[in-house]
Amino acid sequence: DSGVTQTPKHLITATGQRVTLRCSPRSGDLSVYWYQQSLDQGLQFLIQYYNGEERAKGNILERFSAQQFPDLHSELNLSSLELGDSALYFCASSKPAGGSHNEQFFGPGTRLTVL
Amino acid sequence: GENVEQHPSTLSVQEGDSAVIKCTYSDSASNYFPWYKQELGKRPQLIIDIRSNVGEKKDQRIAVTLNKTAKHFSLHITETQPEDSAVYFCAAPDMGRRALTFGSGTRLQVQP
Repeated sequence: DSGVTQTPKHLITATGQRVTLRCSPRSGDLSVYWYQQSLDQGLQFLIQYYNGEERAKGNILERFSAQQFPDLHSELNLSSLELGDSALYFCASSKPAGGSHNEQFFGPGTRLTVL
Repeated sequence: GENVEQHPSTLSVQEGDSAVIKCTYSDSASNYFPWYKQELGKRPQLIIDIRSNVGEKKDQRIAVTLNKTAKHFSLHITETQPEDSAVYFCAAPDMGRRALTFGSGTRLQVQP
């Protein structure tokens, strides 16, 4: 157990819908990262938040957005869902330094299926 | 941004043999190189990392070597066991975006 929690574990929805994925980082970690992993694919970095502010942006679609709240949990919002958005979505957190040079601890992931 | 290439994409070895996975990176300013192991349906877990001030680091049966001049780093697993079967990812920091860029992964299969 990494100490990072994600809910829900599984999510099945239809095209065109909107969903929200939730992540709680490890105690004391200020940085949260979101990744997308499609079937048999690598980890695509989406976005990073540090202490409530957006820190870095990767290949995140305009239909996707995220935020980090004062209690440091983060939510990833996916809207106008398409079949191709079906994937595992991981959240990771790292130590207070907030840079990319610290171990990232991954949550168990949310498996999103768009029908 | 950082570009990380990982080879091979699949690797099959006999139990007890060694396995080597190689990665190259593009940003000469990168200074942190982690390796993650991901078992089927599970989260990636850090197994070893190396910083640019050292050339090699070992932890029991696994080791990582770094060649900053050539901009490549490798994961070495000795005396492989069936439980080493998983997908392994290397990563390097994208210094501009301050995030990790992951390689495409290597599926390691250890045959008993």
